Amino acid sequence: SYILTQSPSVSVAPGETARITCGGDYIGGKGVHWFQQRPGQAPVLVIYYDRDRPSGIPERFSGSSSGNTATLTISSVEAGDEADYYCQVWDSTYDHVVFGGGTKVTVL
Amino acid sequence: QVQLVQSGAEVKKPGASVKVSCKASGYSFISHDIHWVRQATGQGLESMGWINPTTGNTGYAQKFQGRITMTTITSTSSAYMEVRSLKSEDTAVYYCARRHDFGDYIDLWGQGTQVTVSP
Repeated sequence: SYILTQSPSVSVAPGETARITCGGDYIGGKGVHWFQQRPGQAPVLVIYYDRDRPSGIPERFSGSSSGNTATLTISSVEAGDEADYYCQVWDSTYDHVVFGGGTKVTVL
Repeated sequence: QVQLVQSGAEVKKPGASVKVSCKASGYSFISHDIHWVRQATGQGLESMGWINPTTGNTGYAQKFQGRITMTTITSTSSAYMEVRSLKSEDTAVYYCARRHDFGDYIDLWGQGTQVTVSP
C-alpha cells in the first residue's frame, strides 16, 4: 500500500518557523491532510487538501504539496505547538486511509 | 455539539474479544463514514478500516481482515468495532473518527478507548 515518510523529530525555538515534511510517490497529485496530536489527546485536523485550514486553526499553520513532498509550516512557533504531527492521504488503490509515521515538534 | 463519544477502558486476556462503541451526536450520522484508528503507546496512528453507516459497506485494512468486525446502528447513531483473538500487541488506544462527507479526510475524532491485553 501507499507509504508516507516523515522525519521523526523537529526542534524549533519560540518565534521561529517549523517545517514538517511528508514524502510519498507523486504525493503532489493527492490531497494531503495534517493532524496535530498533543500528549494524551486525540488528533486534531489542522490542514486539509494540502493548504486549507479548518475554522479555528490559526493562520500560523500553512501547507503546501508538490512532486513527492508535502510540507506543513508553522510560523511564529509557540510553546503550545509542541506536539506530534501526522500527514494523511487516501489510498485509492486499496480504498484506505494512510498516515505518515508522525513528527514530534519540540519547542526549545 | 458535534462529537463522538466512545466507551470506557477495557482490560482483556489474550485470546479474548473486545467491542468498542462510538456514539455520534450533533450531526447526521448516516452522512459520514466512520473510521477506526489505533495507536499503541509511543507509536503512530494506524488505520484499521471504515464503515458506511448507510449501506453497511466496510473496508478493512489487510492486516486486520478476519479479526475485526465493524457495525453501526443508525437508530442510535452508534458505531461498534469488535476485535477478536486479542494479543498483547493489540494493547493500544482505539479511536473512532468521522470522515468528511465529501472529502477524503478525517474531520472529527472520538476521545479514544484504551484497550489493554494482559494475561
